[in-house]
Amino acid sequence: AQTVTQSQPEMSVQEAETVTLSCTYDTSESNYYLFWYKQPPSRQMILVIRQEAYKQQNATENRFSVNFQKAAKSFSLKISDSQLGDTAMYFCASPNFGNEKLTFGTGTRLTIIP
Amino acid sequence: EAQVTQNPRYLITVTGKKLTVTCSQNMNHEYMSWYRQDPGLGLRQIYYSMNVEVTDKGDVPEGYKVSRKEKRNFPLILESPSPNQTSLYFCLTGGGRGDTQYFGPGTRLTVL
Repeated sequence: AQTVTQSQPEMSVQEAETVTLSCTYDTSESNYYLFWYKQPPSRQMILVIRQEAYKQQNATENRFSVNFQKAAKSFSLKISDSQLGDTAMYFCASPNFGNEKLTFGTGTRLTIIP
Repeated sequence: EAQVTQNPRYLITVTGKKLTVTCSQNMNHEYMSWYRQDPGLGLRQIYYSMNVEVTDKGDVPEGYKVSRKEKRNFPLILESPSPNQTSLYFCLTGGGRGDTQYFGPGTRLTVL
């Protein structure tokens, strides 16, 4: 069974600052993927970044990067130079290999303050 | 352009009136699924399909039906909608084997 935990229900940060969202997980798989999705006020779900567990290098997408600590089962998202458009709910998620079902964390509501 | 489309995007209907929410993808993905998102309950899987003609129940399948006759389409059918099916519905598609899954834009359904 998989579990995904996000321990920060809400965060806020000033525009242009850096913010880190936490996610821990538990899995019995030897190889797996981890995702961060963003849900802005429009309610669309947008893939922010993905990490393959067997890759040692942390994934990076422009201002978004992850700190993947496999032994600690931690997968945090770092947003650099935060922008007003980053205001959203952020979900950490991981799929089961057998049936592809995504297990989601409860989400972190991030507000960027002008 | 890789796309997942859902129709309709918004729907207000009445109890008992059959409806279908369509989902279509152009990424040739084998895996497709439906989730609903409700305040306080998060995202819950309704049904999923690993390939054409292969479907299975998720966590909350009651009151829903699906079919997968073509690889690109995975419609969600509510034969007799009830108010507790008022929700935001997402179609997802992915390449399988744990790889990235992409969300459709969502369908906001209200059943009166």
